[in-house]
Amino acid sequence: EAQVTQNPRYLITVTGKKLTVTCSQNMNHEYMSWYRQDPGLGLRQIYYSMNVEVTDKGDVPEGYKVSRKEKRNFPLILESPSPNQTSLYFCASSWAFNQPQHFGDGTRLSIL
Amino acid sequence: QQQVKQSPQSLIVQKGGISIINCAYENTAFDYFPWYQQFPGKGPALLIAIRPDVSEKKEGRFTISFNKSAKQFSLHIMDSQPGDSATYFCAATAMGSARQLTFGSGTQLTVLP
Repeated sequence: EAQVTQNPRYLITVTGKKLTVTCSQNMNHEYMSWYRQDPGLGLRQIYYSMNVEVTDKGDVPEGYKVSRKEKRNFPLILESPSPNQTSLYFCASSWAFNQPQHFGDGTRLSIL
Repeated sequence: QQQVKQSPQSLIVQKGGISIINCAYENTAFDYFPWYQQFPGKGPALLIAIRPDVSEKKEGRFTISFNKSAKQFSLHIMDSQPGDSATYFCAATAMGSARQLTFGSGTQLTVLP
């Protein structure tokens, strides 16, 4: 089954404790991206990657890091999480940047 | 800043009625306008999309109307069903842009049985 898998689905943690949200896709997609979803703001892109070792900032990259060492994986790293990063996060992938995206089921992060 | 403004924030419709969600954009470079449907606990899923060379696109009960001069587009759901209850996001992008989608703020649709 074609899918984008995120882990964990839920996480409650404390300010400053580094965390990583993993994202893996099994569709051999080249393009991957991370979004955060906040009430009243829709989804905002954090980072995107056009291929292995190629990443770039989206609209809200502050406080986040990403890496793309393999085509299928695109982890989101919060080096020092803060409460304003409490949000619902989605990973997405597509064949190319101008093709429809497939979204994962989301990761709900709570930073206390 | 690129923006897509979506209204209403929430919408309640009786079963069998028509649901209408509106979006307006500012960036004239946008040339692809998808709508996404999101159920609780799930990621958004592409519902229907339109390019500005047509004024309307219909897929089953779902229709996008597009007004290029007004920079507005809307989603119409005909014969709305309780199973359509979800959050709907409009989005826009310039197909040549690697940044992909700029999303509206979302509309929570509730269809009453």
